[in-house]
Order: sequence, then structure tokens, then C-alpha cells
Amino acid sequence: SSELTQDPAVSVALGQTVRITCQGDSLRSYYASWYQQKPGQAPVLVIYGKNNRPSGIPDRFSGSSSGNTASLTITGAQAEDEADYYCNSRDSSGNPLFGGGTKLTVL
Amino acid sequence: QVQLQESGPGLVKPSQTLSLTCTVSGGSISSGSYYWSWIRQPAGKGLEWIGRIYTSGSTNYNPSLKSRVTISVDTSKNQFSLKLSSVTAADTAVYYCARDRLSEGGNHFDYWGQGTLVTVSS
Repeated sequence: SSELTQDPAVSVALGQTVRITCQGDSLRSYYASWYQQKPGQAPVLVIYGKNNRPSGIPDRFSGSSSGNTASLTITGAQAEDEADYYCNSRDSSGNPLFGGGTKLTVL
Repeated sequence: QVQLQESGPGLVKPSQTLSLTCTVSGGSISSGSYYWSWIRQPAGKGLEWIGRIYTSGSTNYNPSLKSRVTISVDTSKNQFSLKLSSVTAADTAVYYCARDRLSEGGNHFDYWGQGTLVTVSS
């Protein structure tokens, strides 16, 4: 199917590790990219490709993939990581497709 | 550093056509192998890809919007544009333009505009 499924909400204690997942058939063929969005701001790319971080993104952000599931891991979550996170891949036609988003709360 | 900036009316009447322009600075829109995309986000909801144009001028559209969307490029002005016809209240959203780059095994949006709110209301 041409859908990317994310958990609506995830929480993590300050300094702990959290994994945000994205499921979809297209992820068997394509890598996901991940975006962080804070209230009132445009999304920011945090992970792309196999596990690449754009310049300026902290190395506590990492990406991985297995089967139909892509994951964004934050190792040692900080208060400033509280945000919405979106995955992106492709649909069956090769067009971009976003997941529904995950709201991350840092406790 | 590439920068993108959306511009256009913030209020559109129902049944009319929404028109937005994205101005690219810090690089030529026609250099490199990039797509240039439009993405929207209704208040409190997720991101929806609308469509994109390649540097060659070829386009791809979201099937759910394809009948109403036209994306074009003006390389002389380093701009690309979105037209969405027959709008309804459901088209009210923040509209973003973004550079869409092919990467290993996929694509990613590496530069985004700040977004512009378009409200459909009479």
C-alpha cells in the first residue's frame, strides 16, 4: 500500500534513548528521510539516505531500516528535541509520501 | 546557502484559484539535478506533498490533487509557482516550497521555505 504509518505520540525521559518508527511497503525499496518540526516553524531535515545527517544536526540523531520499517533514534534526548517528527519516502508511483507524524515529548 | 521564500495572497475565495510563487536565492534553480516541490500542512495536521517540477520542466503531482494542480518554473526569475484551482475550505493550510533532492535509495527535502498561510474563505 502507499502509506507510511507512524505512532502519533512517543515520550522519552530527558537523557534517555528513543526510537521513532515509520512503517510502509515502500521502505523495503527506498530509504526514509526524517524531518523535525517545532511549533510555528518549517520542517528541518535531520536524517536522509542510509544514515546521513545534514550539517548542523547533532550526532545523537541516527537512522536505520529493516524490512518495511525505518527508524529514527535519538540517543540522549534533550529538551530541545521535543517536536513533531515526519518520515518521508515514496509511494508506488515513485512520488514523495509523508508519514502522519509523531509527536515527541521529552519528560 | 540556498534559501526559498513563498509569496502570494493569504486569502482566496472558494471556487477560485490559489496562486503561490517560490523564489530561490543562493543558487540557480536550473543548475544541478533537483526537483522543486510544493508541500502543504493544514493546521494541526501532517505534511502533504502536492507536486514537483524538475529542472527540465517535467512535473509530478499528488494523484489526489492532480486534476486541480499546475506547477511551473520561470528560470529567468529563479522562481517556481503553484496554481490550485477550484479551492475549498479543505485547501486552507500552510504552504511550503522545498528543494527535493534525489539521494541514495530515495529522495529528501534539504531546503524549505518558511511557509505561507493560505486561507480559503468568502
